[in-house]
Formats: sequence, structure tokens, C-alpha cells
Amino acid sequence: AQKITQTQPGMFVQEKEAVTLDCTYDTSDQSYGLFWYKQPSSGEMIFLIYQGSYDEQNATEGRYSLNFQKARKSANLVISASQLGDSAMYFCAMRGRQGAQKLVFGQGTRLTINP
Amino acid sequence: EAGVAQSPRYKIIEKRQSVAFWCNPISGHATLYWYQQILGQGPKLLIQFQNNGVVDDSQLPKDRFSAERLKGVDSTLKIQPAKLEDSAVYLCASIEYPPTGLSSGANVLTFGAGSRLTVL
Repeated sequence: AQKITQTQPGMFVQEKEAVTLDCTYDTSDQSYGLFWYKQPSSGEMIFLIYQGSYDEQNATEGRYSLNFQKARKSANLVISASQLGDSAMYFCAMRGRQGAQKLVFGQGTRLTINP
Repeated sequence: EAGVAQSPRYKIIEKRQSVAFWCNPISGHATLYWYQQILGQGPKLLIQFQNNGVVDDSQLPKDRFSAERLKGVDSTLKIQPAKLEDSAVYLCASIEYPPTGLSSGANVLTFGAGSRLTVL
């Protein structure tokens, strides 16, 4: 069974600072994918970044980067130069076995950016 | 391309009443998911369709929940009778399957805006 753990219920950060959102996972699969989604108050889940278990480089997408430490089973999201619009819920998710496309989500972290 | 469409966006019902939610995935997406997101929690998979067949419904409370995707395109999720604990956002998502055109197997799920259910 796959499990995602996000231990930070809430984070408060000053605008323009960098922030790291923690995610640890548990799986017996050798091949898996890790995702981060943002959910603003409007409710829609917005895809941010993806990391494959065999990817040698940490994923980056604009201001988002993923600090992937495979041995520690962690996939932390780093947001650089935070903006007020970054205030939202953030979910870490995992997809296991190739061909089974469902995502298993963590509990989420509510990020608040203060001006 | 158009996104995943869901309706209604909001629904308030009394317990023991019934409700239905509709989802139209992105054109050409063969795989469709229904997730339940209770306030303060992450989404939980209810059911996964591949075309018009069910791939996984192990977490669907089948005594009250049902879902169908008869023609392999749009889908309906029904709750009958509703309980207080069914208050949640019901998210529909779709994915192109088998994966094409994406590197490293990302094959990202695209979500709709969700249908928020309040059971009184």
C-alpha cells in the first residue's frame, strides 16, 4: 500500500521568502511518481510539479522545485520568492505501479503568505 | 482545450435525500476518476473508470454510492440516501491513457473545479 505523509498542517511565510513544504512517502514499488498540486480557495486542483522515481535530477518548474531524497523517501516542495497568490492548500501525491494511474494524496499543508 | 467540466458546483440537501453529480472529462481522455475530499483532508479515490469499465471501486460505499460512465465519455456519481458524513467536495479528474506526449511518465491528472455537497 502507498502512503503519503505531510506533517505541516499550516505554514506562514513572509512574501518574497522561500518556503519548503514537507512530504514523505511509503511504497514497496520500485517505479513510482510523485506529484505536487496546489488547491486555492476556488477548489480546483492545479498540477505544479512531477518527479519520477528514476529521475536523476530534481524536478524544477519555474519557482517550484522538488527536493527528492529517495533513500529518505522524501519529496519536499520548495517555492522560491513566494508571492501572495501562493496562499493555498498544497498536496503531495503518489502514483505507484505502471499502468495504475490513480493518485494517493497526503493530508495537505495550508500555506499563507503574509505581505 | 476545454477542461474537466463538473456540475452542479454546489448542492445542499437534507439527510436521506438523493443527489447526483455530473462530470465531462477532457475530450479523448479514456480514464476518469471520482475523488471525495472531506474538509481539511486530501482527496480520496472513490472510483476509477477506463472507458466505460470500472478499474477500481474498492473505496466506494456501494450501499449508497453508485457511478456510471455508460458511453465511456461523461460520468454520473449518485448518492442515495445521503448521510451527514457525505458532506464533501466531489472532484472529477481525467487522464489520457495510455500516456502519450509526456516525458518521464508524468501523465498528469487534470481535475475539475469540484462539486461541493452539504448534507443537513
